[in-house]
Amino acid sequence: GAGVSQSPRYKVAKRGQDVALRCDPISGHVSLFWYQQALGQGPEFLTYFQNEAQLDKSGLPSDRFFAERPEGSVSTLKIQRTQQEDSAVYLCASSPYRVSNQPQHFGDGTRLSIL
Amino acid sequence: GDSVTQMEGPVTLSEEAFLTINCTYTATGYPSLFWYVQYPGEGLQLLLKATKADDKGSNKGFEATYRKETTSFHLEKGSVQVSDSAVYFCALLADRGSTLGRLYFGRGTQLTVWP
Repeated sequence: GAGVSQSPRYKVAKRGQDVALRCDPISGHVSLFWYQQALGQGPEFLTYFQNEAQLDKSGLPSDRFFAERPEGSVSTLKIQRTQQEDSAVYLCASSPYRVSNQPQHFGDGTRLSIL
Repeated sequence: GDSVTQMEGPVTLSEEAFLTINCTYTATGYPSLFWYVQYPGEGLQLLLKATKADDKGSNKGFEATYRKETTSFHLEKGSVQVSDSAVYFCALLADRGSTLGRLYFGRGTQLTVWP
């Protein structure tokens, strides 16, 4: 497709389980970002990739969160030993530029609910 | 650090009413500014942008002007429609330092337009 694709759209997990969220950016886009959007809040930055290199992971809330983009295209955000406060919408965005003043293109997100 | 403060909602208007959603920002550099819109169950869509002071972004009847002197980027529309009902996010793209390329979002403003 032409846009950023995220899967699954919805994920329900029990506390303590591991989850993996996938992002398929727009083809050829160099930069890839993950954001976390809690209910009623604006998205907050988690991590940034330039091609396969993770250049900034300072927004990851704990060491239970891990992201990768091994071939510089598809990215996976993994959350280990999930907790209820991890419940949120996880948004992926991509950009054709390394660093620029141009906007990022967002996917529809994955809504994660931890029971 | 960089941040965005956005007028809290919800905002409820009648069709054809005038809309203003206030947004102010704090930044160390010369960021780009954006308004994104989020329809129910969907991801963020870029509504408009401005990359430097005094730029006016416009799209679909919405406008916002980058005011450096007041550090503001207020969203306006002269005549809203029912189809404009959504959540609107003001965002800042950091242009320097360790947060280069990162988007900072306001909390979002829920707009409901009644026929």
